[in-house]
Amino acid sequence: GAGVSQTPSNKVTEKGKYVELRCDPISGHTALYWYRQSLGQGPEFLIYFQGTGAADDSGLPNDRFFAVRPEGSVSTLKIQRTERGDSAVYLCASRLGGTDTQYFGPGTRLTVL
Amino acid sequence: QQQVKQSPQSLIVQKGGISIINCAYENTAFDYFPWYQQFPGKGPALLIAIRPDVSEKKEGRFTISFNKSAKQFSLHIMDSQPGDSATYFCAASKTGTASKLTFGTGTRLQVTL
Repeated sequence: GAGVSQTPSNKVTEKGKYVELRCDPISGHTALYWYRQSLGQGPEFLIYFQGTGAADDSGLPNDRFFAVRPEGSVSTLKIQRTERGDSAVYLCASRLGGTDTQYFGPGTRLTVL
Repeated sequence: QQQVKQSPQSLIVQKGGISIINCAYENTAFDYFPWYQQFPGKGPALLIAIRPDVSEKKEGRFTISFNKSAKQFSLHIMDSQPGDSATYFCAASKTGTASKLTFGTGTRLQVTL
């Protein structure tokens, strides 16, 4: 079956612009995560969805970051007023309820000029 | 505060040799310890994982050794192959609602011929 997909694969934007990053999880996976991976670092947790609700958003760095998952499947990470420090690879992962393994997508590389 | 410390940062091993990567954690509430493999331009993929009720887990050429009292765990790659050249991340999580992963900083492994 298909894995986690993310679009776009690359996004270049200018400082101050708004961006949306999309994640399509594995079908049937109720748990969805967003992580951010800076160059040479491990992924860092941003937000976790169980179904449609954001059950844990403690990793969001500030209120410019927001994520939604309106129908419990596809999720969109939204970043307002982008800053150069937001440049990173944004990873999405999904997990089947009752299991441990998180399956990661290929990521979206965001570059803020 | 870095909750999972990983070493070494990089590692060069000859084909057929043993690769060893170490991690230490601080949060005693962690009860799930996966290792992920990441190739350039790809998302992390689960390699092997362990829970603290066992001290060792082996899957093919990959073995996790776990020392609960020392709060350390390590990945051993036996008979290392050039195709194993990748970045490896240890991670830890606490089973529960979110089960969000805390990652180490990664080890870049190069297996030479």
